[in-house]
Amino acid sequence: QKEVEQNSGPLSVPEGAIASLNCTYSDRGSQSFFWYRQYSGKSPELIMSIYSNGDKEDGRFTAQLNKASQYVSLLIRDSQPSDSATYLCAVNLDPRGGYNKLIFGAGTRLAVHP
Amino acid sequence: DTGVSQNPRHKITKRGQNVTFRCDPISEHNRLYWYRQTLGQGPEFLTYFQNEAQLEKSRLLSDRFSAERPKGSFSTLEIQRTEQGDSAMYLCASSSQGAAGSSYEQYFGPGTRLTVT
Repeated sequence: QKEVEQNSGPLSVPEGAIASLNCTYSDRGSQSFFWYRQYSGKSPELIMSIYSNGDKEDGRFTAQLNKASQYVSLLIRDSQPSDSATYLCAVNLDPRGGYNKLIFGAGTRLAVHP
Repeated sequence: DTGVSQNPRHKITKRGQNVTFRCDPISEHNRLYWYRQTLGQGPEFLTYFQNEAQLEKSRLLSDRFSAERPKGSFSTLEIQRTEQGDSAMYLCASSSQGAAGSSYEQYFGPGTRLTVT
């Protein structure tokens, strides 16, 4: 079992719709969770971080975390063609314990069509 | 506020040659990370520095790979005797150390794309 799993996609949504991206992780000790956006040929760009159960909203983005189910998701409201990219889920075990490396999923490719 | 910078952005080398990449982190960040990313995969952790101390190395980092951060500022990643399998995007990230929360966010540089022919 991979440590961080994502559906590779592509996830295709029409412009203006809500895009829902999902991620599961295997280590129950994981404490910090991140979503990165990566355009083709570019480096990952941090868009959301979440540390406690529940929802965290930032503009059109909402991250949701459920540690009991070992599940983290990203919702993108009012999707735009410029949101078309690969979205990477990343997990950090416990930075306070010294585990500073991020474990990434393989990413979900999102395509927003006009 | 400048972000993480990496040089060179692209490197083409022949198998067996040595290459060195440089990363300059965000100025107030004392933590620096190297990752490697191949096509269709997420970045894979290689190594981590806190100030000048290299605190963790991945099993992916064979003896041909070495990283330094001599003064706790910029870092270099050297690959000796390159192999075709080393072809990848090499990413550097940095983060600060402080109170819980934002200190754990890692910000990536633009990457160095290595092609070994």
